Amino acid sequence: DAGVTQSPTHLIKTRGQQVTLRCSPKSGHDTVSWYQQALGQGPQFIFQYYEEEERQRGNFPDRFSGHQFPNYSSELNVNALLLGDSALYLCASSPRAANSPLHFGNGTRLTVT
Amino acid sequence: GQQVMQIPQYQHVQEGEDFTTYCNSSTTLSNIQWYKQRPGGHPVFLIQLVKSGEVKKQKRLTFQFGEAKKNSSLHITATQTTDVGTYFCAGIYNQGGKLIFGQGTELSVKP
Repeated sequence: DAGVTQSPTHLIKTRGQQVTLRCSPKSGHDTVSWYQQALGQGPQFIFQYYEEEERQRGNFPDRFSGHQFPNYSSELNVNALLLGDSALYLCASSPRAANSPLHFGNGTRLTVT
Repeated sequence: GQQVMQIPQYQHVQEGEDFTTYCNSSTTLSNIQWYKQRPGGHPVFLIQLVKSGEVKKQKRLTFQFGEAKKNSSLHITATQTTDVGTYFCAGIYNQGGKLIFGQGTELSVKP
């Protein structure tokens, strides 16, 4: 039973570029949340998807957008990259039930130069 | 606002000593979850507390939720080197709301 899988594991981009990160949820989970974790900080909530729609959003600019596909997998897109976007991007999945614990993937380490 | 504060930021202990991390919110939480992140790893769910004054134990770990549902703590008795990592509390303010993480407490254990 595969857990949450994310790709790629590492990525290096230049300021101004765009990036797409991908996530496959744990089997049986239909809700996907994305978090940004800067070095030495706690994960910061970006947004959550279920039924292919963004349901909740944190305090992130519109440069951060996402998508969820019918198979529940998800993408995080970041446009016009800034140096400050360098971080570990974590995808977490959960079943729809309210307040369910999150199952995290190993993350994508994004470096913006 | 919806913010979860966690202290201390770092804790260095000798193996066998106890460890406690505290989590506080200015407003009432619906429930609180605790996660552990090993160095280089991802957060792993430990436990969820829902009821006012709730206490739960997992072997050497004791989790508490305050009576006012505004604070929580994690206590580890007789730490071991396997306890090394960063412990995060994460709160939910509204049923079904987003999970908001604290800054974490990084625990190091000297053998």
